[in-house]
Amino acid sequence: EADIYQTPRYLVIGTGKKITLECSQTMGHDKMYWYQQDPGMELHLIHYSYGVNSTEKGDLSSESTVSRIRTEHFPLTLESARPSHTSQYLCASSEQGARTGELFFGEGSRLTVL
Amino acid sequence: AQRVTQPEKLLSVFKGAPVELKCNYSYSGSPELFWYVQYSRQRLQLLLRHISRESIKGFTADLNKGETSFHLKKPFAQEEDSAMYYCALRDFNKFYFGSGTKLNVKP
Repeated sequence: EADIYQTPRYLVIGTGKKITLECSQTMGHDKMYWYQQDPGMELHLIHYSYGVNSTEKGDLSSESTVSRIRTEHFPLTLESARPSHTSQYLCASSEQGARTGELFFGEGSRLTVL
Repeated sequence: AQRVTQPEKLLSVFKGAPVELKCNYSYSGSPELFWYVQYSRQRLQLLLRHISRESIKGFTADLNKGETSFHLKKPFAQEEDSAMYYCALRDFNKFYFGSGTKLNVKP
């Protein structure tokens, strides 16, 4: 079934640890996005990709990095987690050139850094 | 800079009452606007888009360029409409979201 998957759903980790949030989609979409959302706040775009080997930073500065080696996979990495990184991270995808503008979201990864 | 503002964090109405969730935007051009919804324990999903001029689950939204608004309306709210609603603006391949309004429909 075509879908977008995020793992882990929840992660509690200590300061200084390296973490990778996984995002995979089986929808065949070229465009993928990472949003960061704090409770009661808007979603902030932190990274996006238009296709393999294409990655761009979003409008909200983030210490995280991303890679896009395969179309279906768009992992986000924090080399050294800090309490300020505690947030929910949402992955999304959409079709290239689509005028519908529909974003398909994963279930999110809630990160807590102690 | 593109901005989407949803002034209400929480909106509570009784079942059967009309509901209007406000959204204002700032954009230097012709905007593409959307409403996304997140029901309890579900992921964020598209509700409707202004270019389609559609009514989904009884909801409609009209783009008012003069007031730079895209308010979401439903004449008779149902309990199953209780959810978080996000207004979004698309600028080429980027999407900008408001902070969301939680709609609570009371029986």
